Amino acid sequence: GAVVSQHPSRVICKSGTSVKIECRSLDFQATTMFWYRQFPKKSLMLMATSNEGSKATYEQGVEKDKFLINHASLTLSTLTVTSAHPEDSSFYICSARVGQAYEQYFGPGTRLTVT
Amino acid sequence: EDQVTQSPEALRLQEGESSSLNCSYTVSGLRGLFWYRQDPGKGPEFLFTLYSAGEEKEKERLKATLTKKESFLHITAPKPEDSATYLCAVQGDKIIFGKGTRLHILP
Repeated sequence: GAVVSQHPSRVICKSGTSVKIECRSLDFQATTMFWYRQFPKKSLMLMATSNEGSKATYEQGVEKDKFLINHASLTLSTLTVTSAHPEDSSFYICSARVGQAYEQYFGPGTRLTVT
Repeated sequence: EDQVTQSPEALRLQEGESSSLNCSYTVSGLRGLFWYRQDPGKGPEFLFTLYSAGEEKEKERLKATLTKKESFLHITAPKPEDSATYLCAVQGDKIIFGKGTRLHILP
């Protein structure tokens, strides 16, 4: 149980375009999902907490107008990187909690490359 | 300030050579300490949650322990397939991840 999927697994886009990443909880309902960014050999950096039916909570330094998060259902959250630039190239990972437990279950990640 | 420090950064072991990975933490109001395994190019895979000092959990060749200041992930008689990065995270008001220990098991 507690399976989280992400789509796409890899995406290449041109500078200035937008790209959407989907995160789905496959066998449970997730009222809270999280979006992370990970650089090579670095720790996971929490970008935002996505709450179903309400606005996402962004961490300090993360531009909410650039990284749009929508959590429209109990099984789906999306992250849209708007007007992407090469410095947005990274590994983006989502996660979700099951019920009231604190541990998070992660998706397989999305490798974004902006050219 | 809440902090998580993992050591060593990298560890190479021969197959069958047992060892331990360390996770030192400071957090106000620990709600849980988590261990994850991450393979290259993939998302972290949940291993354990520990809630209070003295607690231990086991899964196959892995055993996680917790004190008030640190957690250890003991790996007994590791195999090459145990090679991965092991991440520690603590949940206080927010979750904080360590940078991980890159474990390489040589056949």
